Amino acid sequence: AQSVSQHNHHVILSEAASLELGCNYSYGGTVNLFWYVQYPGQHLQLLLKYFSGDPLVKGIKGFEAEFIKSKFSFNLRKPSVQWSDTAEYFCAVSSSGNTGKLIFGQGTTLQVKP
Amino acid sequence: DGGITQSPKYLFRKEGQNVTLSCEQNLNHDAMYWYRQDPGQGLRLIYYSQIVNDFQKGDIAEGYSVSREKKESFPLTVTSAQKNPTAFYLCASSAGLGQPQHFGDGTRLSIL
Repeated sequence: AQSVSQHNHHVILSEAASLELGCNYSYGGTVNLFWYVQYPGQHLQLLLKYFSGDPLVKGIKGFEAEFIKSKFSFNLRKPSVQWSDTAEYFCAVSSSGNTGKLIFGQGTTLQVKP
Repeated sequence: DGGITQSPKYLFRKEGQNVTLSCEQNLNHDAMYWYRQDPGQGLRLIYYSQIVNDFQKGDIAEGYSVSREKKESFPLTVTSAQKNPTAFYLCASSAGLGQPQHFGDGTRLSIL
């Protein structure tokens, strides 16, 4: 069965620190990969996605993620975080060509201290 | 503005009672989804629908039911058979298979 694992459940950083959130998935076929973000009091919104092509994808607000097929990973990065990046981050995977059913990771809560 | 509207924002259920959560979208999306969000468990899929008058069970469908009579609407009923209904429920929609999903603001259900 497909599964998604996010290694860090709670991350605390100071402003301007660099961020990397890990995401690994288990599925042998072709996948679509997503990172969603949920800011306090707001709905889940798409941060970035990978379908095909360049494995380094750029999203909103300076975030990027790299798909490494050999490692089944899709880690999220940002060179310098801001206080406004405080949120919960979810990695999600769907297998290409199926129902579009997303499998979500457990989520990582990021707290950025000013 | 196009989007997904979930109502109510907060809902309370008595023991043995069925409750229905509303989800409406004006994005003209074919696919709609219901998730349950619990602390430390991420989002788990309850039901999904690819097209009107069709829906499939997700990973945790027991104790829930849905209908998809209109493209814009995908209501979720939490039945008395669901033994642990207290959670945050999220509705989503997407244009098609594997496309990014758009989420509503959620409904928080609690048991009295």
